[in-house]
Amino acid sequence: NFMLTQPHSVSASPGKTVTISCTPSSGSIANNYVQWYQQRPGSAPTTVIYEDKQRPSGVPDRFSGSIDSSSNSASLTISGLKTEDEADYYCQSYDDSAYWVFGGGTKLTVL
Amino acid sequence: EVLLVESGGGLVKPGGSLRLSCAASGFIFSDYTMSWVRQAPGKGLEWVSSVSSGGGYMFYAESVRGRFTISRDSAKKLLYLQMNSLRAEDTAVYHCARIGEVTFDSWGQGTLVTVSS
Repeated sequence: NFMLTQPHSVSASPGKTVTISCTPSSGSIANNYVQWYQQRPGSAPTTVIYEDKQRPSGVPDRFSGSIDSSSNSASLTISGLKTEDEADYYCQSYDDSAYWVFGGGTKLTVL
Repeated sequence: EVLLVESGGGLVKPGGSLRLSCAASGFIFSDYTMSWVRQAPGKGLEWVSSVSSGGGYMFYAESVRGRFTISRDSAKKLLYLQMNSLRAEDTAVYHCARIGEVTFDSWGQGTLVTVSS
C-alpha cells in the first residue's frame, strides 16, 4: 500500500524556521502534486499549500512548499514561527489509482 | 460562505449500520466532487470515499470498499455515506469535504461514529 511518511513531531521557537518532510513509500514525489493541510486542535483542516508550492489566498507567505527530487520528498517550510502556527500538519498526494492519500501527520510545537 | 454540516453519527454495535449526511450550502453543489475523510481518535486523516460531481463515479478506500456506499442528492444539496458491517476500527470523526480543482478546499466539522459493543 502506498504511504506518505512524515516526522511524528517537530518543534522550534517563535521567530525560527521549521521544515516538515513528506516522503512517498514508492515512486517519484514529482509524479503527483502534493498538498499540505493545517489542523489546529478541535478544528477542521485547512489548506496551506496546494500543487506542491502554491499558497491559497489568505495564507501568509511565511508558508512555502517545495519538492526535492534528490531526496524524493516534499517539504513544508514555515518561517518566522508564531505561536498560532502550532498545529498538526498533513501532506496529501495520490496513489497509483489516483486515490487520495494523506501522510500520518506532524505535530508542530512552537516552544 | 461555503458551509458543510455533517449529521448522523452515534454509537453502533459491531456489525451494525449507520447513514451519515452532509448538508452543503454557499456554493453550487452539483459542480463539485465531494468526499468523506475520517480521523480516528488521536490519529491522522484517512480518505474514505469520493463521488463525482454528477454522481456517476464513486471511489472507495480499500478499507471500506464493499461495506460503505457514497451517494449524493444534488437537488437537496446532500451528501451521504451508508456504512454497513461496521467494525471497531471504523470508529472516527467523519468529515465531509469538498474537492476544489486540486485540494480538499472546504471541510465540515465532522460527526463522531463510535463502533463498540
